[in-house]
Amino acid sequence: GAGVSQSPRYKVAKRGQDVALRCDPISGHVSLFWYQQALGQGPEFLTYFQNEAQLDKSGLPSDRFFAERPEGSVSTLKIQRTQQEDSAVYLCASSPNPQGWGNTIYFGEGSWLTVV
Amino acid sequence: GNSVTQMEGPVTLSEEAFLTINCTYTATGYPSLFWYVQYPGEGLQLLLKATKADDKGSNKGFEATYRKETTSFHLEKGSVQVSDSAVYFCALRRIQGAQKLVFGQGTRLTINP
Repeated sequence: GAGVSQSPRYKVAKRGQDVALRCDPISGHVSLFWYQQALGQGPEFLTYFQNEAQLDKSGLPSDRFFAERPEGSVSTLKIQRTQQEDSAVYLCASSPNPQGWGNTIYFGEGSWLTVV
Repeated sequence: GNSVTQMEGPVTLSEEAFLTINCTYTATGYPSLFWYVQYPGEGLQLLLKATKADDKGSNKGFEATYRKETTSFHLEKGSVQVSDSAVYFCALRRIQGAQKLVFGQGTRLTINP
């Protein structure tokens, strides 16, 4: 597609439910990032993929968060047993080169998650 | 560690006013510096960047200069427009290792006609 596409755009989950957020990066982009943006805050890094390899998951806040990119294109961020503090916008970004070196990083519009 | 501190908002200005949004950073080594903008209902977009000391990034009338001595990257525009209303984020990215961005908390800017 023309840009980074994320779905769903809006998700309301009951506390304890599992959710899955999808990211479709720009075709051919090697690097894929997930960020979490709490209300009124800047985005915070969650995890990074180079093709299908998850090279950095240092930002995942707990073992309830899991991300995958099995074929090196579409990625899914899964949150198990959601808690209210998980309410945030989840941003996906992609870049043409490994690690995002030297290139602009393109962001999707985000998936807004509200846990009630 | 690496961190970015931005001028707190919200900032409200009249059209054609001069804009400054302050940004300072803490980092090991020499990071690249960025300003991103988030218009209502849209994703984050790169506004401008600078990759080394004394570089000036510019785009759409906005400018920011990478000042190593003051560890700053302040955003400026000489004459703002209503269409500049958005949230602005300062960010850094290390030049080694994982290319993750570290963002400031954002500054909401509203321009009144």
